[in-house]
Amino acid sequence: DTGVSQNPRHKITKRGQNVTFRCDPISEHNRLYWYRQTLGQGPEFLTYFQNEAQLEKSRLLSDRFSAERPKGSFSTLEIQRTEQGDSAMYLCASSWGSGDQQETQYFGPGTRLLVL
Amino acid sequence: GDSVTQMEGPVTLSEEAFLTINCTYTATGYPSLFWYVQYPGEGLQLLLKATKADDKGSNKGFEATYRKETTSFHLEKGSVQVSDSAVYFCALVSGAGSYQLTFGKGTKLSVIP
Repeated sequence: DTGVSQNPRHKITKRGQNVTFRCDPISEHNRLYWYRQTLGQGPEFLTYFQNEAQLEKSRLLSDRFSAERPKGSFSTLEIQRTEQGDSAMYLCASSWGSGDQQETQYFGPGTRLLVL
Repeated sequence: GDSVTQMEGPVTLSEEAFLTINCTYTATGYPSLFWYVQYPGEGLQLLLKATKADDKGSNKGFEATYRKETTSFHLEKGSVQVSDSAVYFCALVSGAGSYQLTFGKGTKLSVIP
């Protein structure tokens, strides 16, 4: 399977703990995106990387959130001092694009986070 | 800012019925438009897309036409099957240096035999 993979698939944590999620994009894709989806809503954009550079961040991405994509391959999303409002499905997507080309984003299965 | 509005669900149809899910958008520039589908227990999958006005996207019997004059991208299928039961999301990418997808809230479709 050469699709986007995410780990872990589920995470339960206590309020105040830190959590880290990993995304492995489709291997030849240079762009990687993180989204958050809460129950009954569509996904909301969090941040975007082109290769290793983080080029766009949503105002939803508070200071407690940090994302990295070292070497332009896999990416991690860390949430520090989790709050109950962080409970959601965290989705990763990847795509291949150059210039202003609006290419298709392919999504992973998501990591479901529950903060108790 | 960019936004997508799609019809509220849930929608329940009998097998072989005609499906329409309405989607309208607000965007700067010339967006590309998408329909994604989320089957129970699975991730988001691209269903179809259209990148410019009057383009028609189609896949698996589903169709949607990019209507710039009405800022709409309604999803249609002539004869639904039980296997089409899923949540459908309309989305756009506005372009002009922004690559983020902006999604609607989703419409849950249930098809009964």
